[in-house]
Amino acid sequence: GAVVSQHPSWVICKSGTSVKIECRSLDFQATTMFWYRQFPKQSLMLMATSNEGSKATYEQGVEKDKFLINHASLTLSTLTVTSAHPEDSSFYICSVDRGDQPQHFGDGTRLSIL
Amino acid sequence: AQSVTQLDSQVPVFEEAPVELRCNYSSSVSVYLFWYVQYPNQGLQLLLKYLSGSTLVKGINGFEAEFNKSQTSFHLRKPSVHISDTAEYFCAVTLNTGFQKLVFGTGTRLLVSP
Repeated sequence: GAVVSQHPSWVICKSGTSVKIECRSLDFQATTMFWYRQFPKQSLMLMATSNEGSKATYEQGVEKDKFLINHASLTLSTLTVTSAHPEDSSFYICSVDRGDQPQHFGDGTRLSIL
Repeated sequence: AQSVTQLDSQVPVFEEAPVELRCNYSSSVSVYLFWYVQYPNQGLQLLLKYLSGSTLVKGINGFEAEFNKSQTSFHLRKPSVHISDTAEYFCAVTLNTGFQKLVFGTGTRLLVSP
């Protein structure tokens, strides 16, 4: 079964609203999680590294005030897209850093902003 | 920095035929290599990985890949594909110090037809 749960799987909302996406590690105490963005028919681009109990580390070019990340527990990281606009529409995927094993990925969230 | 090139954006093949998906990487230091599969509207599932040792790596669903250091390649192969293998396949690389900084290729869409 899935070891990384991502919710919601699909969300449609109006421009200007904020959207929160949850990523849960079901079988592992995750001090580090990752958030990726995937445009249609393109590869995954790392947006940020989510660190439990501390600030996230954002990749170059990613607006930290736009994409708020909170990692308050060892099993949950959230990504909030603030004041979302159509250009923020994308597929967002989280993953869990399992230390000495490859990352485990969630099933992704398709975000559509109207 | 590491990079990954997947030259084939799409590979059409008939059911039960063999297939090879190409992946070349660039790195000045030793790396770990991965192949992931992504089904529509889902996250990534690890097919196989090369960390060290034998250059021929066997994965799930009958896939295998061969690490060729001199050609900096990690091509994915399957001797006989099924309709259910239709998906997007991503090659990825990371430094051999851990599994955190994954760099993905642009993906290859495998289209299996009857």
